[in-house]
Amino acid sequence: SQQGEEDPQALSIQEGENATMNCSYKTSINNLQWYRQNSGRGLVHLILIRSNEREKHSGRLRVTLDTSKKSSSLLITASRAADTASYFCATDDARNSGYSTLTFGKGTMLLVSP
Amino acid sequence: DAGVTQSPTHLIKTRGQQVTLRCSPKSGHDTVSWYQQALGQGPQFIFQYYEEEERQRGNFPDRFSGHQFPNYSSELNVNALLLGDSALYLCASSLGTETEAFFGQGTRLTVV
Repeated sequence: SQQGEEDPQALSIQEGENATMNCSYKTSINNLQWYRQNSGRGLVHLILIRSNEREKHSGRLRVTLDTSKKSSSLLITASRAADTASYFCATDDARNSGYSTLTFGKGTMLLVSP
Repeated sequence: DAGVTQSPTHLIKTRGQQVTLRCSPKSGHDTVSWYQQALGQGPQFIFQYYEEEERQRGNFPDRFSGHQFPNYSSELNVNALLLGDSALYLCASSLGTETEAFFGQGTRLTVV
């Protein structure tokens, strides 16, 4: 079953603009991760934010986490055509003890036009 | 340093057949997880192997089985294939209980 729900399902922007994607989840988590997928191939790990963190940055990426609202957002600043991909959030359920598995949302398709 | 490698890249099988997919984890990783991704959906967890044992399993029927070898590589077997098994199968490796997982490029399985 899907844990996270990304919003919007699809996003179309121009190069140079910022892109914001949101993720909501249902259970308590150990951490939340964002992945990128190009053309239905493998997933590329972007960033991991732990449940006791509120914000994290990596290059042009900024992730926030609000555990009280069970939600996260991914901001990509100054987007490029190469950022065109599907973006997924994945949660590591806090009920997992001694092991770690990920539950993914359905993803947001981002299209960045030149 | 080789990342996660999966083989084959693409596969076409007939309903009722059996299939074996293979995964070699990232160097130094000892845990392998398998995910199924249907078209337009997010990946769904199938199972995870650690120390050659199935450590955790998702909501998949017994037709889905796996194995992990002493060198940490893994196989995913699917018996009695159904049309609905058509999907991208992703392998992810990680170290112990660490969450950060590295994914392979996947095997695209088409059942006709």
